[in-house]
Parts: sequence; C-alpha cells; structure tokens
Amino acid sequence: DAKTTQPPSMDCAEGRAANLPCNHSTISGNEYVYWYRQIHSQGPQYIIHGLKNNETNEMASLIITEDRKSSTLILPHATLRDTAVYYCIVRDLWGGSQGNLIFGKGTKLSVKP
Amino acid sequence: KAGVTQTPRYLIKTRGQQVTLSCSPISGHRSVSWYQQTPGQGLQFLFEYFSETQRNKGNFPGRFSGRQFSNSRSEMNVSTLELGDSALYLCASSLLQGDGEQFFGPGTRLTVL
Repeated sequence: DAKTTQPPSMDCAEGRAANLPCNHSTISGNEYVYWYRQIHSQGPQYIIHGLKNNETNEMASLIITEDRKSSTLILPHATLRDTAVYYCIVRDLWGGSQGNLIFGKGTKLSVKP
Repeated sequence: KAGVTQTPRYLIKTRGQQVTLSCSPISGHRSVSWYQQTPGQGLQFLFEYFSETQRNKGNFPGRFSGRQFSNSRSEMNVSTLELGDSALYLCASSLLQGDGEQFFGPGTRLTVL
C-alpha cells in the first residue's frame, strides 16, 4: 500500500505556482520522498526526490517539513503542459529488498488558461 | 541519448492467447522494471530484472513472466490471456537495481477481446 496521502485533484492558473501537498506521516528515517508525474497517455516521468533538505532542479522544488511528515512539490510557473497526475512516493533510496515504486492514486493537476 | 523504447505500442489479442512485449532500456542502464496500469488498480509493479536475473516480483500470477538479455533488453510474456489483462504495460529502466530514479517508456497498450 502507498504510504502517502494526496488530494485527488487540484486546479492551477497558467503562469501561477502550483503547490502540490503530500502527507507521509509514517515515513521512516532512511526513506526518501520521490515525485513522479504522468501526462495523459505517456509513461510516468521522474521529477525530483529528497530526504530532509529542500531540493530544486530545473523542473520543480521540493519542500519537506522539518518533522518530515509532509512535503510540497512546487511548480513555479505552471504551464498547460504541466497538466498531469502527480505521484508522491516514499521509499528507501535503493529500495532495500523492494526496488519497485509503489504508486498511489496521485493528484490530478489541471492547469487552466 | 535515446529514451526507453517499447514495442509494440498497441496490441490486440483474444482470450487464451499469449503475448510478448519488448523493452529496450536507456543505454548503460542495467535494471529494467515492468508495471501494469489499469483504470481500476492504477500502476502496479510486476517485476524487476538486473543482470539477467529477476530481483524483485510483484503480486501477479505465474502467467506473467519476463526475462532480460545480456544487452539489458527485456521481454515480458503473458500466457493464457484473460480479459482483465487489458492494460497499459510500462517498462522503466534505471542505472542500478532498486534505483528510485526510473525512466519510463511510453508503454504498450494491450487489449484482450
């Protein structure tokens, strides 16, 4: 079972920041937070991951609370092409004995003009 | 460099038949994972191969099998197809076993009639 809770859907205006929350209250000390997204009819795409410090790359920023029980993925200037289902996944960096990704239902982000 | 490729992209089969799907990982990636995506169950892990050996397996019946070749290319086979096997089958490659950063292909859409 997924260890995360995400809102089923969110809307965002084009050009504005999209802030996608994720709760992971049972996260353990060696587990990372990963974010993937899936644009309609495509395979999932890796976005970013982090342990406890905030992370930023060319796609997004990841803010993890100090107690690590929740995080927020930020798309700073959302475009229509960012419309997708966003998945928050918690797992060991190398998966331990479970190398697979466990996807929940994710958040369907709709970016509107 | 080229991304993950999957062939064929679309496939129609009838119940009782068998099917083989192919996946070519990103050059240099040695791990290949397979996932099934259906509207009802979402994205579910099938198995992971690394160095031609199955390293991890999801909760699917034995009708689902796979293999990996020395060049890291992978195939998955489904025998005695059932209507419920209709799904998008996704392949993901990563550098090493258990890597959380996985690169997905576009998938093979299988329809069982």
